[in-house]
Amino acid sequence: AQSVTQPDIHITVSEGASLELRCNYSYGATPYLFWYVQSPGQGLQLLLKYFSGDTLVQGIKGFEAEFKRSQSSFNLRKPSVHWSDAAEYFCAVVRNFGNEKLTFGTGTRLTIIP
Amino acid sequence: EAQVTQNPRYLITVTGKKLTVTCSQNMNHEYMSWYRQDPGLGLRQIYYSMNVEVTDKGDVPEGYKVSRKEKRNFPLILESPSPNQTSLYFCASSSSGVLTEAFFGQGTRLTVV
Repeated sequence: AQSVTQPDIHITVSEGASLELRCNYSYGATPYLFWYVQSPGQGLQLLLKYFSGDTLVQGIKGFEAEFKRSQSSFNLRKPSVHWSDAAEYFCAVVRNFGNEKLTFGTGTRLTIIP
Repeated sequence: EAQVTQNPRYLITVTGKKLTVTCSQNMNHEYMSWYRQDPGLGLRQIYYSMNVEVTDKGDVPEGYKVSRKEKRNFPLILESPSPNQTSLYFCASSSSGVLTEAFFGQGTRLTVV
């Protein structure tokens, strides 16, 4: 069973519009949560992570994510997207402390239209 | 410049011909790992290493070998490649375990015919 799910394979938004990318996990306990971005032809770069504490976390490039325990979700948001945000976005989890496996979702490809 | 370097970037090979993809990092990181990326499947972890001489299987280790004889290097070995190992491979390193930020290489696109 998929332990981390990204329901949207491809999203298209207009430049300047807001963005929300969805991520759900299926572990019973709260895992460690990450968002990575992959620009075309590049490796992945960490945007932000959540381990505990404040459920709204800020990341690089103007991104933020909100952890919602009741929904087992960790959605990524940006108030106003730029053409340079076109990329593939991956949610990832580490199941629990001491587990050294990083499990990725299947990714959401973001297209920006002028 | 801090980086993870993979070689080669592109490789076409034939079924059964042993190959090695090299990975080197210059950040003195303890943790290194290999992933393969396939359309619709995201990234899946092949092997990881917590430190020199310490390696363990990820989620899809079949058909792959790794070694960690030096801290900076973590080569991926395909003893007898098969077409189902055609994929995009990424090496990553992080300073002290999977909870610290992973730095990724540029990727190696492997085609096995």
